[in-house]
Amino acid sequence: EAQVTQNPRYLITVTGKKLTVTCSQNMNHEYMSWYRQDPGLGLRQIYYSMNVEVTDKGDVPEGYKVSRKEKRNFPLILESPSPNQTSLYFCASSLAGEETQYFGPGTRLLVL
Amino acid sequence: GDSVTQMEGPVTLSEEAFLTINCTYTATGYPSLFWYVQYPGEGLQLLLKATKADDKGSNKGFEATYRKETTSFHLEKGSVQVSDSAVYFCALSAFGFNKFYFGSGTKLNVKP
Repeated sequence: EAQVTQNPRYLITVTGKKLTVTCSQNMNHEYMSWYRQDPGLGLRQIYYSMNVEVTDKGDVPEGYKVSRKEKRNFPLILESPSPNQTSLYFCASSLAGEETQYFGPGTRLLVL
Repeated sequence: GDSVTQMEGPVTLSEEAFLTINCTYTATGYPSLFWYVQYPGEGLQLLLKATKADDKGSNKGFEATYRKETTSFHLEKGSVQVSDSAVYFCALSAFGFNKFYFGSGTKLNVKP
């Protein structure tokens, strides 16, 4: 089944404790992206990647890092999480040059 | 910069009522426009899209027309069902489908 998977689905952590949210797709998509969803703000793009080793900032990259060492994986790294990063995070992927994105199920993060 | 504004919700309708959710955008260049739908506890799914002015996107009885003169992409459905209850997001893509901007989302509740 074609899908985007994220792990973990739920995470509670404390300020300053490094964490990684994984994202994996099995559709051989070149493009992958991370978003955060907050009430009243919709989805905001954090980072995106056009292919392996090619990443760029979205609208809200501060406090986040990404890497794209393999085509199927695009982990989101929070080196020193803060409470304002409490949010619902979505990973998405698509073929290069295609507008249609496929979204993962989301990761709900709470930073205390 | 680029942005999307959509009407605030929630919108509550009775089954078989007519639906309109307003969406306007600001963009440089010629963006593609999308409506995504999010069912409870799930990621976003593409509902419909339009890639140039005067294009009409349609799917599952929903329609939206790309109006460049009014910078709008309003979502309509002639007769809603209870199963249409969800959050609807208007979005645009720019820079060759690398950067995406989403509206804040409109929650639709359809009562039997």
